[in-house]
Amino acid sequence: GAGVSQSPRYKVAKRGQDVALRCDPISGHVSLFWYQQALGQGPEFLTYFQNEAQLDKSGLPSDRFFAERPEGSVSTLKIQRTQQEDSAVYLCASSSRRGEGNTGELFFGEGSRLTVL
Amino acid sequence: AQSVTQPDIHITVSEGASLELRCNYSYGATPYLFWYVQSPGQGLQLLLKYFSGDTLVQGIKGFEAEFKRSQSSFNLRKPSVHWSDAAEYFCAVGAEQAGTALIFGKGTTLSVSS
Repeated sequence: GAGVSQSPRYKVAKRGQDVALRCDPISGHVSLFWYQQALGQGPEFLTYFQNEAQLDKSGLPSDRFFAERPEGSVSTLKIQRTQQEDSAVYLCASSSRRGEGNTGELFFGEGSRLTVL
Repeated sequence: AQSVTQPDIHITVSEGASLELRCNYSYGATPYLFWYVQSPGQGLQLLLKYFSGDTLVQGIKGFEAEFKRSQSSFNLRKPSVHWSDAAEYFCAVGAEQAGTALIFGKGTTLSVSS
């Protein structure tokens, strides 16, 4: 697609529920990032994929958070047993076409706003 | 530690007045520097970026930024602010290596008064 697409845009979950957030990156982009943006804060890094390989998951706040990108395109961020502190906007970004130099620039989706009650 | 500091949480500027948003960074490698803008309910849009070369970079919507290595700063400027510029502005730092995550500041909220 023309841009990074995320779904759902809004998700309300009861505490303890599992949620799945989807990211469809720009076609051909090799790199995919997930960020978490709490209210009034800047985005904070969660995890990074190069194609289907998850190369960095150092930002995932707990083992309740899990991300995958099985075919090197669409990615899913899953949060198990959601807690109130998980309430945030989850941003997906992609970059770097195969064979092109790295510009360092990330292209962001509009985010998925998760509210845990 | 690698970090980005945006000292101003909230700035109000009169329409037509000039704007400067401050950004300081701490980074171990040669930095790639970015300014992104975020309108309510929207994703982040890139305003401009600095990789190397001329330290004054031009971006979209009439914005510019100047990289000052000695001050570890990358301040964003605009000569004349429009009401539509009201938004959240984020400074970010990254590196040349593909897959390097950007580190963002906490952002500056810009309000524009008439």
